Amino acid sequence: RKEVEQDPGPFNVPEGATVAFNCTYSNSASQSFFWYRQDCRKEPKLLMSVYSSGNEDGRFTAQLNRASQYISLLIRDSKLSDSATYLCVVNMNYGGATNKLIFGTGTLLAVQP
Amino acid sequence: DTEVTQTPKHLVMGMTNKKSLKCEQHMGHRAMYWYKQKAKKPPELMFVYSYEKLSINESVPSRFSPECPNSSLLNLHLHALQPEDSALYLCASTKESYVPVIAEAFFGQGTRLTVV
Repeated sequence: RKEVEQDPGPFNVPEGATVAFNCTYSNSASQSFFWYRQDCRKEPKLLMSVYSSGNEDGRFTAQLNRASQYISLLIRDSKLSDSATYLCVVNMNYGGATNKLIFGTGTLLAVQP
Repeated sequence: DTEVTQTPKHLVMGMTNKKSLKCEQHMGHRAMYWYKQKAKKPPELMFVYSYEKLSINESVPSRFSPECPNSSLLNLHLHALQPEDSALYLCASTKESYVPVIAEAFFGQGTRLTVV
């Protein structure tokens, strides 16, 4: 089982649609969770951190379910500019001192006009 | 300044060449990372430096040699690479790496490496 898994995608949605991405992680000790966005041939950029209570930033809502080891990202009212690959990132610490930030496989979103 | 700067942006090297990738940040971050990203794949962790010491090596071949000369700089020395090593190499930094809750990672724009 991969350490961080995501919906395979691609997701093709019309403008204005609501789309949800899911991510599961294997290490129950993980405590840091993020959603990154990566445009083609660019570096990943932080979209939002994910907190236990859930958090919202404009059209984006992130949720964390520790019991199920599951993270989600909801995008409302999709825009053409939302087209990108969305990467779930989780810290892994297997008892050592140092954390590793591990990426999920990524989900490609294509918003159609 | 929330920038991570990587140089060069593009690099073409032969299999017998020696080259180095450089990464710099001035955010006072004490953890720095090298990732390798192949096309249509997520970034894969290679190395983690924490307080200028190598903390994690993800079984990376010895033809990749990291170095952290000081808290702001991270290098990746390349020698005798193979064509399959062609990829985007990303550097990242976080404030800390030892704490359970890590703040977000900042990424450089990457070096696009082609081995011929």
